Amino acid sequence: GQQLNQSPQSMFIQEGEDVSMNCTSSSIFNTWLWYKQDPGEGPVLLIALYKAGELTSNGRLTAQFGITRKDSFLNISASIPSDVGIYFCAGRASRGGADGLTFGKGTHLIIQP
Amino acid sequence: NAGVTQTPKFQVLKTGQSMTLQCAQDMNHEYMSWYRQDPGMGLRLIHYSVGAGITDQGEVPNGYNVSRSTTEDFPLRLLSAAPSQTSVYFCASSYRARGPQAYEQYFGPGTRLTVT
Repeated sequence: GQQLNQSPQSMFIQEGEDVSMNCTSSSIFNTWLWYKQDPGEGPVLLIALYKAGELTSNGRLTAQFGITRKDSFLNISASIPSDVGIYFCAGRASRGGADGLTFGKGTHLIIQP
Repeated sequence: NAGVTQTPKFQVLKTGQSMTLQCAQDMNHEYMSWYRQDPGMGLRLIHYSVGAGITDQGEVPNGYNVSRSTTEDFPLRLLSAAPSQTSVYFCASSYRARGPQAYEQYFGPGTRLTVT
């Protein structure tokens, strides 16, 4: 099956700093999604991307669907303590169909006050 | 709306025991899926369903059964629990709408299963 390479695995940053993480795939994806997971909770959808080159923002979060359709990145500006958690990229390779998402292994964001 | 609900939240089983993890959604979503999450592995798809009466296997289906008798419910059955099935299990659902928005999956809070 498809695999997503997500980096970095973890980030230790200071409050107020900007954050950048990305996902790459050896396969073409038609949809890219970014999720955040808090401890003991299920993943929550942050941003969904549907077209190559698309740039979408959600508050301080910005994500882009790469032109090659094999990558995506997520930026968080001016990080705050509640941004702590695990961020997952997820993609869907098929057009139509209903199979589930392929997930990256996550980026663990830790913010030092 | 309660969204996606899962029960139980925690469960301990002995090797060889069977059990059913419950999942329900009240959003009238036609797509439902089960994932397992293991440390350092992300989430991996176990089984999914595109509607009542239709199920299919995902990436790691062995040792699990599913059925979909109603739109709302999608239980996951462990037939004979093994220590390798110790994991956190998430149920997810999404709309069956035209266009890519059908793929925006919403997750339940998870069931933490330990098999000894």
